[in-house]
Amino acid sequence: DAGVIQSPRHEVTEMGQEVTLRCKPISGHNSLFWYRQTMMRGLELLIYFNNNVPIDDSGMPEDRFSAKMPNASFSTLKIQPSEPRDSAVYFCASSPGTGGRAGELFFGEGSRLTVL
Amino acid sequence: AQSVAQPEDQVNVAEGNPLTVKCTYSVSGNPYLFWYVQYPNRGLQFLLKYITGDNLVKGSYGFEAEFNKSQTSFHLKKPSALVSDSALYFCAVRVDYGGATNKLIFGTGTLLAVQP
Repeated sequence: DAGVIQSPRHEVTEMGQEVTLRCKPISGHNSLFWYRQTMMRGLELLIYFNNNVPIDDSGMPEDRFSAKMPNASFSTLKIQPSEPRDSAVYFCASSPGTGGRAGELFFGEGSRLTVL
Repeated sequence: AQSVAQPEDQVNVAEGNPLTVKCTYSVSGNPYLFWYVQYPNRGLQFLLKYITGDNLVKGSYGFEAEFNKSQTSFHLKKPSALVSDSALYFCAVRVDYGGATNKLIFGTGTLLAVQP
C-alpha cells in the first residue's frame, strides 16, 4: 500500500499567485480530510469529504480557499490568491470510513507551502 | 461541543523511565478518543483509540492509554521510554454529528523529549 500521496512536497510562491495542492488517498478509503498545521494555530481541519461529497467545510478560512474531490482517488486544495499568512504545512488524510475503524486517519507526508 | 486539552507543551523524560503524556476531554455523550504521533517532517500516525470496553487501551510501539471517565482523562503512557519515542503527540476526539462521522478534533500537541 503506497499510503496517502501528496504533491508537491514543497512549494514556494509569491503573494497573489494561485497554489494547487494535490492528494491521492489510500484506495478503498471513503473519507478524505485536509488539515493545515502552523506553529501558531496548531492542527486545523479545513474540510472533510465522505464518498467524494464535502461534509464539513466550516474550517475553510475564507473564499480564497477551495477544495474539490472529483473522484474517489483524487482531491485538490486551491488557494487563489495566496497570501503570506497561508504559509503552513498542509496535510491530506484518508480514512477507511465509519464502523470499527472510524477515526483512524492515515496522513500523507504533507505539502509545505511558503508564500513570500 | 467536543474538545480535548493537552496541558503540557513539552514533557522531558530520561531513557528507560516511564512516561506520561496528559490529555483531558470534554464531550457530550460517549467519548471516542485517539492518540496520534508526529515525527519531524512527517504526517501524523495513528497510535491507539478508545471507543468502549477496557479502560486500558494498548497501541503501537508499546504505548498504552488509560481512559478515566470520572477525571475525563485519556493519558498516554509507556513503561520505559526510548530516545526514538521523541516526537510530537496529539490527543484527539471524534466529533459526534449525531451519526457516523470520521471528523477528529486534535489537541495542541505535546512534544516528548527523551534524553539518553
